[in-house]
Amino acid sequence: QQQVKQSPQSLIVQKGGISIINCAYENTAFDYFPWYQQFPGKGPALLIAIRPDVSEKKEGRFTISFNKSAKQFSLHIMDSQPGDSATYFCAASLMNRDDKIIFGKGTRLHILP
Amino acid sequence: DSGVTQTPKHLITATGQRVTLRCSPRSGDLSVYWYQQSLDQGLQFLIQYYNGEERAKGNILERFSAQQFPDLHSELNLSSLELGDSALYFCASSVQGRNGYTFGSGTRLTVV
Repeated sequence: QQQVKQSPQSLIVQKGGISIINCAYENTAFDYFPWYQQFPGKGPALLIAIRPDVSEKKEGRFTISFNKSAKQFSLHIMDSQPGDSATYFCAASLMNRDDKIIFGKGTRLHILP
Repeated sequence: DSGVTQTPKHLITATGQRVTLRCSPRSGDLSVYWYQQSLDQGLQFLIQYYNGEERAKGNILERFSAQQFPDLHSELNLSSLELGDSALYFCASSVQGRNGYTFGSGTRLTVV
């Protein structure tokens, strides 16, 4: 059972453009929605996260939009740069129980110079 | 350096063999999580330990086992290895009640 569905699998964006990755979840009890960024040969690193009591969170060029009623959330990367080329994972968990994080299958993002 | 140390970085072994992967969590983190990453399945949760006790189990095969020691380091044991076990194995750690994991750099296991 895939509890977090992520799309697209891969994405190519021109430098300076907006990269958008979408995720949907099933368990309405999830209370923590992080995004992880992974470069080749490295472990995933926490990029930005949101709780379901807010609809948007912005950190620099990275923004999470959250739609609780639709059980969907998305990552927007503004002014995308070649250095943003990486694999991005959305995820969800029950942090009040220190529960495991469930990851989406990932999106390979390539920013064209 | 994330503070989570995994050894070895690379491992090549034959089918049927047994290997042990080691993880030292970030200082102060009591929870350790193991994940398997393959190309088509993304990051699959295997098992979680908290302060030496098993907390949760995911899609972990019976041929796989893990433990967390009193010094909080953890080991993942993989036995009767098959070609399909070839993957990246990540360890992550966290402090209970705080958000997010810190991942190590992973162990790349190749079974030939």
